[in-house]
Amino acid sequence: SQQGEEDPQALSIQEGENATMNCSYKTSINNLQWYRQNSGRGLVHLILIRSNEREKHSGRLRVTLDTSKKSSSLLITASRAADTASYFCAMPSGNTPLVFGKGTRLSVIA
Amino acid sequence: GAVVSQHPSWVICKSGTSVKIECRSLDFQATTMFWYRQFPKQSLMLMATSNEGSKATYEQGVEKDKFLINHASLTLSTLTVTSAHPEDSSFYICSAPSKVVTQYFGPGTRLTVL
Repeated sequence: SQQGEEDPQALSIQEGENATMNCSYKTSINNLQWYRQNSGRGLVHLILIRSNEREKHSGRLRVTLDTSKKSSSLLITASRAADTASYFCAMPSGNTPLVFGKGTRLSVIA
Repeated sequence: GAVVSQHPSWVICKSGTSVKIECRSLDFQATTMFWYRQFPKQSLMLMATSNEGSKATYEQGVEKDKFLINHASLTLSTLTVTSAHPEDSSFYICSAPSKVVTQYFGPGTRLTVL
């Protein structure tokens, strides 16, 4: 699996605002996933978007994928304090282990 | 849904002792499991791939004699940190591949070596 690069590295917003984070990668993919990690916890799978999809929604999450730019964005709408976490993108390839970048550390201030 | 568990969730040990961390897939079989290490405010770094019935494969720079991996069954992999030292203090996370979401991650084990 290839490593994605999340941007920004850190993001601080007020509760209720939207949070947008981006992921860029280098080579073609089959699908892209976003994970969340709360401090001191394991990773939780949030959403998967396939290479032939451009946008996907799950609750307050909206993910876009632009394969021509090799980039994806994760939008969290109406953020809550509980959304405070680190967010990682990953691009699986077969049964090879996922490789992670530094992630985006999101802080939602109540 | 599928769940991966780890035990213990946290452990504090004295320098020089060995610590065993268990990773279990609870309702699915995993012939392969992955072990990651994460230092504070850093990303997850893959340490090794655990293979049921065969030797683990280690990433470059990871000492196989230091981090012993045993994949005893289709639902259990263990990581033993031998002769632990303070620099081994870290957050260890395992994961198991799944056809549904590619990898399920355990909740992690916080190791502190005094």
